[in-house]
Amino acid sequence: DIQMTQSPSSLSASVGDRVTITCQASQDISNYLNWYQQKPGKAPKLLIYDASNLETGVPSRFSGSGSGTDFTFTISSLQPEDIATYYCQQYDNLPPTFGQGTKVEIK
Amino acid sequence: EVQLVQSGAEVKKPGESLKISCKGSGYSFTSYWIGWVRQMPGKGLEWMGIIYPGDSDTRYSPSFQGQVTISADKSISTAYLQWSSLKASDTAMYYCARHPIGLDAFDIWGQGTMVTVSS
Repeated sequence: DIQMTQSPSSLSASVGDRVTITCQASQDISNYLNWYQQKPGKAPKLLIYDASNLETGVPSRFSGSGSGTDFTFTISSLQPEDIATYYCQQYDNLPPTFGQGTKVEIK
Repeated sequence: EVQLVQSGAEVKKPGESLKISCKGSGYSFTSYWIGWVRQMPGKGLEWMGIIYPGDSDTRYSPSFQGQVTISADKSISTAYLQWSSLKASDTAMYYCARHPIGLDAFDIWGQGTMVTVSS
């Protein structure tokens, strides 16, 4: 299985801050990388697919970049409603695997 | 509205069998894959497997192959996840999610079914 390593595991930032999460794949996955947001007690929600494409209806403060093995997810201006755990997921090889998650909190 | 509605929470004893469901509505159920994802308490997401209700083509993660069975009844737009003999380690939240052809991602998720296995 392809291993996905996210960092950091958690972070605390102020409203309005720029937040960056990285995801590293154990092998080249091209751009087959998705980002999901999971709010406490809720199902995950797709935010970014194919590394950089914003899912319909997702605010433009969310963005993604990268290819190969190294990927970045950014919230350009953190909002209170962005409190959640964020997961990357590779879809290059079966089984698709998720990163361990990054918990984002407000400072 | 496109949605997946899952069956309610279950409390079972070790060794018992269980089948949970995921009903799709608002879209052509037979034209999208449906996957299952496990989330153990306080832990991350694990991809279990996926089924194409149109022809019942099913793929499993090696970690879950032989441990669960994924099926679907296209006549009632419902996918299933079942266990023949539950273990305490099956205690988790289980999500179903829709996987469009041509989009390698889960775009619509069910609300989750909590399964608790305890003696």
